[in-house]
Amino acid sequence: QSVLTQPPSVSGAPGQRVTISCTGSSSNIGAGYDVHWYQQLPGTAPKLLIYGNNNRPSGVPDRFSGSKSGTSASLAISGLQAEDEADYYCQSYDSSLSGSRVFGGGTKLTVL
Amino acid sequence: QVQLQESGPGLVKASETLSLTCTVSGGSISSYYWSWIRQPPGKGLEWIGYIYYSGSTNHNPSLKSRVTISVDTSKNQFSLKLNSVTAADTAVYYCAAMDHAEHFQYWGQGTLVTVSS
Repeated sequence: QSVLTQPPSVSGAPGQRVTISCTGSSSNIGAGYDVHWYQQLPGTAPKLLIYGNNNRPSGVPDRFSGSKSGTSASLAISGLQAEDEADYYCQSYDSSLSGSRVFGGGTKLTVL
Repeated sequence: QVQLQESGPGLVKASETLSLTCTVSGGSISSYYWSWIRQPPGKGLEWIGYIYYSGSTNHNPSLKSRVTISVDTSKNQFSLKLNSVTAADTAVYYCAAMDHAEHFQYWGQGTLVTVSS
């Protein structure tokens, strides 16, 4: 059971917009700690997609955006493309677990 | 651009010690928190721990008693030792560079370690 909760799967057709939620608690997201998002294409290492809740590293398309409110965060992907099919993970810091860095369980995005 | 490369045995016997090394290139060893993260087959990511170039460490409480992370600044390398392994420790092990802003900015390609009985 992950400290951060994500839906196991989401799907959307090309061109559509999808969102992936990441629900935490008062000891992580709700305490004000930043949320970061990673994209893991099949058979590859995770790649930083969003950092500091809503910042994109250089090279990440602006189709990807992040937000945070209360004890939850969301990743939005607009203009879905086939190449977006991947696993997505959120990550934050949890103050109740001796300084642990925690990940969500991951969400599989399927482009229909 | 920081590059990381894991190395070490791909097969470890149960009850023995898993040992991996990560070689860092293209960046200063003093710039990041050098981390280990693992991913069991078909499952999600689990943070194992990190070390700073000064030697300070932090580990996942669920693994803390079995984990040792060390750094060799002269070789631009850091290492992971996980003792008393079981089949549950079978995973792809990634080394990663964690920025001071707490995100994992750079990742190695990962190495599969299988624990055999």
